[in-house]
Amino acid sequence: GIQVEQSPPDLILQEGANSTLRCNFSDSVNNLQWFHQNPWGQLINLFYIPSGTKQNGRLSATTVATERYSLLYISSSQTTDSGVYFCAVLKAAGNKLTFGGGTRVLVKP
Amino acid sequence: GAGVSQSPRYKVAKRGQDVALRCDPISGHVSLFWYQQALGQGPEFLTYFQNEAQLDKSGLPSDRFFAERPEGSVSTLKIQRTQQEDSAVYLCASSLVLYPTSYNEQFFGPGTRLTVL
Repeated sequence: GIQVEQSPPDLILQEGANSTLRCNFSDSVNNLQWFHQNPWGQLINLFYIPSGTKQNGRLSATTVATERYSLLYISSSQTTDSGVYFCAVLKAAGNKLTFGGGTRVLVKP
Repeated sequence: GAGVSQSPRYKVAKRGQDVALRCDPISGHVSLFWYQQALGQGPEFLTYFQNEAQLDKSGLPSDRFFAERPEGSVSTLKIQRTQQEDSAVYLCASSLVLYPTSYNEQFFGPGTRLTVL
C-alpha cells in the first residue's frame, strides 16, 4: 500500500516562532488532507489540498503532487497550536485515507 | 448536528464482552468510514460504506469486528468477545461525494475511546 512519512516527528517551538512540517508519500494521490488533533482527540480539518497552495490565517499548505510531498507552514505560533498534526492521503481510485505517523508540536509560552 | 457525532465517548469493557459503537454522519453524506487509532499512532482504516453498502472491509482486524449501516445513515461498529488489543480510539468519518470523484474530503467525529480490561 501507499506509504506516508511525516517529519519531524516532534517539534518544540517558542511562541511566535514559525515552522514547516513535511509529508512525503510514495504513490499518486487524488486527495491530501492536513489535520490537527487537539488534546481531546478531535481531528480538525485544516486543509484539503491534493495540489497547489492554500492559506487560512496563520496556516498555509502547499502540495507538489508530481514530486509526492506536501508542506504545512505555521507562522507566529501560539500555544493553542500545540497538538499532533497529521497528513493523510487517498490513493488514486481508492477510498480510504492513509495517515502518516504525525508531527507532535508543543508551543511554549 | 453540524458535525459527525459518536457515542459513547468512552467505553470500558471486560475482556470477552461485546461492545457496540455508534456513528451519526453529517446529514446527507453518502460515504462513511471507520478508523482505529492506537495510542501514539495515526488512524488506520477499518471499513467503508457507500449508503448502506459495505464496499470495503479490508481493514477489519478479525471476524470479531462487524460494521453495519442498514438505512444508509447511522452506522454501528460491533466488536464481539473483546480482547485487550482492541483497546484504542475508534473514529468515524463521513464524506459527501461518491467515489471516484474529484472532491472527497472526509470529516471526523470525536471518537470513542475503548478500554478493554
